[in-house]
Amino acid sequence: GENVEQHPSTLSVQEGDSAVIKCTYSDSASNYFPWYKQELGKGPQLIIDIRSNVGEKKDQRIAVTLNKTAKHFSLHITETQPEDSAVYFCAASTGGAGTYKYIFGTGTRLKVLA
Amino acid sequence: DAGVIQSPRHEVTEMGQEVTLRCKPISGHDYLFWYRQTMMRGLELLIYFNNNVPIDDSGMPEDRFSAKMPNASFSTLKIQPSEPRDSAVYFCASSLLGTNTEAFFGQGTRLTVV
Repeated sequence: GENVEQHPSTLSVQEGDSAVIKCTYSDSASNYFPWYKQELGKGPQLIIDIRSNVGEKKDQRIAVTLNKTAKHFSLHITETQPEDSAVYFCAASTGGAGTYKYIFGTGTRLKVLA
Repeated sequence: DAGVIQSPRHEVTEMGQEVTLRCKPISGHDYLFWYRQTMMRGLELLIYFNNNVPIDDSGMPEDRFSAKMPNASFSTLKIQPSEPRDSAVYFCASSLLGTNTEAFFGQGTRLTVV
């Protein structure tokens, strides 16, 4: 069945360094790729998303890249800060009338060391 | 808007008891999702509704699980009878205008079955 693989499962970086999280998906029909951040005791919250007709999207310190040919997409966080510490989830969605496949990756626990 | 509201935040129950989790989606959202989060399996989609109608319940693990959405502002997820392996954090999320858009998550209900 469809799945999304996410790596690494944990990531520690020094404050100010960059962090990269990678995901691969199996369903070639996937066309929407959101990234969620989950802080302790809270629900996941969208931080950035990208659609299949775009190869890259940036929002301040956060960027996402998409390679549809290789079926992988990545989250890049630059100039990391302690408040970036959280669990990050990627997801792939295949939306369409009457269907919904919103598959999450297994998550990456990011620790930003001060 | 207060966001997606779930209750209770924590639930501890004995094996065999009935458990009911509640969710109030964001007003105006036409999709509602129930997810289960565990360390082993990550975020799993259990069921989702569109305009109060269940669309896909293929993620519901067993007949012990049932979900209803009697109106646009309320949904329940019921487990009867509960088992220790049901222990997890259950999230409700809602979205507007289809599946390829941001899903807004509630704070979750942490269920412990002893």
